[in-house]
Amino acid sequence: DTGVSQNPRHKITKRGQNVTFRCDPISEHNRLYWYRQTLGQGPEFLTYFQNEAQLEKSRLLSDRFSAERPKGSFSTLEIQRTEQGDSAMYLCASSTIGRAQETQYFGPGTRLLVL
Amino acid sequence: GDSVTQMEGPVTLSEEAFLTINCTYTATGYPSLFWYVQYPGEGLQLLLKATKADDKGSNKGFEATYRKETTSFHLEKGSVQVSDSAVYFCAPSIYNQGGKLIFGQGTELSVKP
Repeated sequence: DTGVSQNPRHKITKRGQNVTFRCDPISEHNRLYWYRQTLGQGPEFLTYFQNEAQLEKSRLLSDRFSAERPKGSFSTLEIQRTEQGDSAMYLCASSTIGRAQETQYFGPGTRLLVL
Repeated sequence: GDSVTQMEGPVTLSEEAFLTINCTYTATGYPSLFWYVQYPGEGLQLLLKATKADDKGSNKGFEATYRKETTSFHLEKGSVQVSDSAVYFCAPSIYNQGGKLIFGQGTELSVKP
């Protein structure tokens, strides 16, 4: 069990550029979540996948954001035409499906700075 | 809508003091409840959880009891250490929405020697 990994750990980009982040969940976990955390705040839910299906998206996820999990393993989160307000920590978490609510295990996050 | 209210920080305590961080929530259905901790410069780590009413979660000397009647999940520790300095997040999971977590703003704890 190597834990949830995210790449890159840091990304600096200029406004208007596109960025893509990758998340590799714990191998046997079939649920994968994306959250966004701004400075001094708690994480906010963006979207989640069960296997390869994207089952819910937050209103926070504007049309510039897209997420995929093509084979039910790793996931990517792309932000098009970045804005300064997109600067945040993007967190990925994974879990299994069970009768009781399963624990979500978080990756270290990708810190995005839009200049 | 679903939400969490945590006591505001920062909370500053001396080593070996008693800690309480209050958490109340509003959530649809019957959520499981979690406390996560974020140490400086690190990601979120699970601290403890409880999945049904009156369950007590515990870990590393921290405890929290699922109080359904008051929709609360207060975090306690009898004797804090400097190494407990971190930001603590209370989070219910919303069962009918894929188990997504709803986080409060977090409570920063600073423990002085």
